[in-house]
Amino acid sequence: ETGVTQSPTHLIKTRGQQVTLRCSSQSGHNTVSWYQQALGQGPQFIFQYYREEENGRGNFPPRFSGLQFPNYSSELNVNALELDDSALYLCASSLGGLNTDTQYFGPGTRLTVL
Amino acid sequence: GENVEQHPSTLSVQEGDSAVIKCTYSDSASNYFPWYKQELGKRPQLIIDIRSNVGEKKDQRIAVTLNKTAKHFSLHITETQPEDSAVYFCAASRGNQGGKLIFGQGTELSVKP
Repeated sequence: ETGVTQSPTHLIKTRGQQVTLRCSSQSGHNTVSWYQQALGQGPQFIFQYYREEENGRGNFPPRFSGLQFPNYSSELNVNALELDDSALYLCASSLGGLNTDTQYFGPGTRLTVL
Repeated sequence: GENVEQHPSTLSVQEGDSAVIKCTYSDSASNYFPWYKQELGKRPQLIIDIRSNVGEKKDQRIAVTLNKTAKHFSLHITETQPEDSAVYFCAASRGNQGGKLIFGQGTELSVKP
């Protein structure tokens, strides 16, 4: 198992609500990436944080936002939830440097939007 | 745009046989290619990775080959066991900071005893 943890494990929300997901990176890792994995598909990159700054973003609307804290833990916030936001949300941590970009995943948060 | 194609989508083999999964990437700047194994309800687990300065890498029963010219890389599992049954994902990235992983669609491997 990796040292990456996520909370909560499961979450049920209704359309229009807002949600915050949390991720604690592996010890010594300063980079956190977030991915959305719909059922039966590969993870899709949402964004990455390196030393508290956004460092790359995928094709997701602005209602997906994030934050990284001085201890390198991270949050993913999603506003105005839509049914299609139902998915497994994965975070991955890495060392964030030359040839140290191997990403280790957390267990994920299963979000259901009704 | 950046894309990774993965084949086959499902693969069924007998225990002890070999399994091969193939991926093709579109971004010629990609230089890092990890493979993840994901069991049902679990996190993706890194099983092997390769960088663009290497053509082949092996770890016990698992090997990965990379053909940069063809933008193609493959996962080879020998002497398959029932516990190898899972979904396998290939991915490609430019590496370093901001190295987002572009994943393939996944291959569901079933190893029959």
